[in-house]
Amino acid sequence: DTEVTQTPKHLVMGMTNKKSLKCEQHMGHRAMYWYKQKAKKPPELMFVYSYEKLSINESVPSRFSPECPNSSLLNLHLHALQPEDSALYLCASSQNRESSTDTQYFGPGTRLTVL
Amino acid sequence: GDSVTQMEGPVTLSEEAFLTINCTYTATGYPSLFWYVQYPGEGLQLLLKATKADDKGSNKGFEATYRKETTSFHLEKGSVQVSDSAVYFCALSDGYNNNDMRFGAGTRLTVKP
Repeated sequence: DTEVTQTPKHLVMGMTNKKSLKCEQHMGHRAMYWYKQKAKKPPELMFVYSYEKLSINESVPSRFSPECPNSSLLNLHLHALQPEDSALYLCASSQNRESSTDTQYFGPGTRLTVL
Repeated sequence: GDSVTQMEGPVTLSEEAFLTINCTYTATGYPSLFWYVQYPGEGLQLLLKATKADDKGSNKGFEATYRKETTSFHLEKGSVQVSDSAVYFCALSDGYNNNDMRFGAGTRLTVKP
């Protein structure tokens, strides 16, 4: 099983709302990632968790707050977003970050629209 | 730093035509190379990968060979189908960058019947 699941599939929120995106994998992977993908662009790395510890925050605004409750779950908490934050948010996982040969497996994404 | 350059799209082909999407890379170490495919409204799926020079990755009729001498990993398919219409991303993973993925800009392929 190489499945990464993400919920919700679509999300519409106002700029004052608080919402969360959820990601789950059961492959025993110890690295999990959040990416942001704008239309017609490649994914941009936002956060990396390795062994449930935040390893990278690619200078992402504080209105995005990641959380890794356990090795299978990854959340992205959203608060006071801007319309330019509208995008496809992708979660991915890999065995770990110790080898360049590891494949990242992606979820289907959450399509976020900020009004 | 590491980078991946893909041919500009979009690419439009007729069914059963031959496909080549060029990809070249710059890396500090000895990267692994990947092709991912993204169908409309979906996430990225691994299409194939190669982890060392002269390795050939293949899947679903697609092939790519890791060419260290030309720093390339071009994607090829002998006969495309309408169902191959998607965006294709070339990517690399390098130990000098914590093995995080670096993506090319993506190439949109449309196959017409």
